[in-house]
Amino acid sequence: KNEVEQSPQNLTAQEGEFITINCSYSVGISALHWLQQHPGGGIVSLFMLSSGKKKHGRLIATINIQEKHSSLHITASHPRDSAVYICAVRSGNFGNEKLTFGTGTRLTIIP
Amino acid sequence: EAQVTQNPRYLITVTGKKLTVTCSQNMNHEYMSWYRQDPGLGLRQIYYSMNVEVTDKGDVPEGYKVSRKEKRNFPLILESPSPNQTSLYFCASSPASLPWYSPLHFGNGTRLTVT
Repeated sequence: KNEVEQSPQNLTAQEGEFITINCSYSVGISALHWLQQHPGGGIVSLFMLSSGKKKHGRLIATINIQEKHSSLHITASHPRDSAVYICAVRSGNFGNEKLTFGTGTRLTIIP
Repeated sequence: EAQVTQNPRYLITVTGKKLTVTCSQNMNHEYMSWYRQDPGLGLRQIYYSMNVEVTDKGDVPEGYKVSRKEKRNFPLILESPSPNQTSLYFCASSPASLPWYSPLHFGNGTRLTVT
């Protein structure tokens, strides 16, 4: 079992739909990242969370530390949101930290 | 513009021919790291560096070397590349000031093919 599990692996939705991508992890963490990888391959950091909820535009990220679970939501989805979304968790102590990635969720938004 | 610059973007080489992939950041970040991305496996950490002259192994360090002689540069060296090192490679950086969980800045990636 991977330390970081994402679901679903693939998601296709119509433009305008509300999107939820889930991330579950099995280790104690200091922070969780949500990343976006566009078809061209570049990776952009969307959020870094250690507790609670963050919002940026149409994107919302939440984390429940007790349940070891995080969600990424996209409201009013648009074709330009089509990308692979990757969850990554930081664990370990300062100077000896580790970053473990999920395998990603491929999102396709159809006009 | 704040950025992480990787070169080259694409590289095709033959087994055993030493190569270096360069990574440079202009944000004065302490933390830099290298990852490889393979289908079905996601991103895996190769090496990371918390500061100049400080480097540590990640999950898949075999066959790779790194150095951190200057804060801005963190090259990845493949002394004797093999076909199983064909992959998409990313360099990333972030501040390491406490608390150390900071956003990551990624380079654009290097697609390496070893024949």
